[in-house]
Amino acid sequence: SQTIHQWPATLVQPVGSPLSLECTVEGTSNPNLYWYRQAAGRGLQLLFYSVGIGQISSEVPQNLSASRPQDRQFILSSKKLLLSDSGFYLCAWATWDRGASEQYFGPGTRLTVT
Amino acid sequence: KQEVTQIPAALSVPEGENLVLNCSFTDSAIYNLQWFRQDPGKGLTSLLLIQSSQREQTSGRLNASLDKSSGRSTLYIAASQPGDSATYLCAVAQGGSEKLVFGKGMKLTVNP
Repeated sequence: SQTIHQWPATLVQPVGSPLSLECTVEGTSNPNLYWYRQAAGRGLQLLFYSVGIGQISSEVPQNLSASRPQDRQFILSSKKLLLSDSGFYLCAWATWDRGASEQYFGPGTRLTVT
Repeated sequence: KQEVTQIPAALSVPEGENLVLNCSFTDSAIYNLQWFRQDPGKGLTSLLLIQSSQREQTSGRLNASLDKSSGRSTLYIAASQPGDSATYLCAVAQGGSEKLVFGKGMKLTVNP
């Protein structure tokens, strides 16, 4: 069966510090991978998605970047965090199989920028 | 641009009621629609996926229907229980796109 991992689970970082959040998927190959941010009262916002190694699409211009160094690994980064980067970050994966695409989410990372 | 709306934003009901959660979308050219559940501080759990060619899907006490022409989906929860308390989100996948567009969710509280 497929499993998606995210770490760390929680993170408190000062403004201006760097960020690296990691997401890995097990039990599937060549998945689409997604990074979302969920902020209070603002719903779920798609930040980046990837259809393959090294292929990243950015949805929202911002202080963040994403990379996919391996097929089942997706990393979210920032060089200098802003207060507005606080939120709940969710990674998801999907495969297009027999005409269906269903997204599955990880447990999330709670980021607080102080 | 696709927009997904869930009204009301919150609902509080006594245990045992049969519930209908609504989801509407503006562009009927969807590939599929997915219902999720989110518990506080947790990730999203997929409940049901309805492909554009389907009218409904069922899983246990949950039944989701899809009417593409009217841009609506409903999630029916039979005999609600306190454990059903959570935020429920619907999301649509546009034809030709690998992205989901989410509603803002509906927070459900089932009181014992």
